[in-house]
Amino acid sequence: KAGVTQTPRYLIKTRGQQVTLSCSPISGHRSVSWYQQTPGQGLQFLFEYFSETQRNKGNFPGRFSGRQFSNSRSEMNVSTLELGDSALYLCASSSTGTGEGSEKLFFGSGTQLSVL
Amino acid sequence: GESVGLHLPTLSVQEGDNSIINCAYSNSASDYFIWYKQESGKGPQFIIDIRSNMDKRQGQRVTVLLNKTVKHLSLQIAATQPGDSAVYFCAEINSGGYQKVTFGTGTKLQVIP
Repeated sequence: KAGVTQTPRYLIKTRGQQVTLSCSPISGHRSVSWYQQTPGQGLQFLFEYFSETQRNKGNFPGRFSGRQFSNSRSEMNVSTLELGDSALYLCASSSTGTGEGSEKLFFGSGTQLSVL
Repeated sequence: GESVGLHLPTLSVQEGDNSIINCAYSNSASDYFIWYKQESGKGPQFIIDIRSNMDKRQGQRVTVLLNKTVKHLSLQIAATQPGDSAVYFCAEINSGGYQKVTFGTGTKLQVIP
């Protein structure tokens, strides 16, 4: 069974541009969540999607958005990029995303975004 | 607000010794805790979890201890190996909300051969 796949692996953009990151969850998983990881802030929750609906959202500005498709693949978009958006963006999938029992998050390797 | 913090940012351990990584959490409503390991260039990998109705859980070479009285979580790694070198995160989940996991800032474990 393939793991969580994130593309692209690395991305370089300039301020003001926008970017779209892609995540393919583990087959059968319906919950996809996104995290931003920086050395100073650690892992911070962006949002979570389940069955094409955003169920939960972290404390990030509206420049950060996402969506989920019927096949559970998800995309994350950041508009009007700022220098502070440079980070590793991680996607994680789980079967239902309810946190019940031993619900585990499976992470991809991330997309390293550098904003110049 | 909710926060999960780690006591030590870096831990150096001799190969073969036991490692103990600590974590403090502040949300008493959290009922599920997870330890993740993140190696360089990779995403976090699940190690072990524990529910709030337990105070200890053992896995292969790893043990997680939960002290709800002082809101403290620890990860013990027995006979630490060079392959254990990584950043370790604790995370808490309040299953009253959907998959909103709060992570600590991480502890870097360095294994000295």
